[in-house]
Amino acid sequence: GAGVSQSPSNKVTEKGKDVELRCDPISGHTALYWYRQRLGQGLEFLIYFQGNSAPDKSGLPSDRFSAERTGESVSTLTIQRTQQEDSAVYLCASSFQPDRLGTQYFGPGTRLLVL
Amino acid sequence: DQQVKQNSPSLSVQEGRISILNCDYTNSMFDYFLWYKKYPAEGPTFLISISSIKDKNEDGRFTVFLNKSAKHLSLHIVPSQPGDSAVYFCASRTGANNLFFGTGTRLTVIP
Repeated sequence: GAGVSQSPSNKVTEKGKDVELRCDPISGHTALYWYRQRLGQGLEFLIYFQGNSAPDKSGLPSDRFSAERTGESVSTLTIQRTQQEDSAVYLCASSFQPDRLGTQYFGPGTRLLVL
Repeated sequence: DQQVKQNSPSLSVQEGRISILNCDYTNSMFDYFLWYKKYPAEGPTFLISISSIKDKNEDGRFTVFLNKSAKHLSLHIVPSQPGDSAVYFCASRTGANNLFFGTGTRLTVIP
């Protein structure tokens, strides 16, 4: 079956512009996660959605970052007034919940470059 | 505050030999540990996991060892193959849902 898909695969933007990144999780997966990986660093948790519960936004680095999810499907991560330090690979993952194996399935990521 | 650490950014191993990738963690509340493998331009893919109640889990050529007293995790690949060349990430969780990742170790298996 289809895996997690993300779009765009690459995005170059100018400092100060807003960007929107999209994630399509695996069908039937109720949990969805956003991570980012900056150059030379590990994956950094951003936000987690589970069904209709309030999202866990504890990893969002600033109020310029926000995310939405429509039901148990598509999610969009929005970065407003982008800064150069926002340049990273943004990864989306989904999983069954409850998932006692803790296995998250990742998309290929969106490479964001802020000039 | 890096709760999961992979202190070796890279490792080179001859084909057929054993690859040992190491991971240290600081949070004693972690209850599940995972290894992910990542090829360039792809997202991480799940490789193998271990619960905190175990000290070893084996799946084919891959074995994960957990030493809770030392807060240390290792992944053994034997025999190593050129297709194993990738970045390997160690990840842990506390029972909450997000994973804490290490910075990764780039494994190169030399034919």
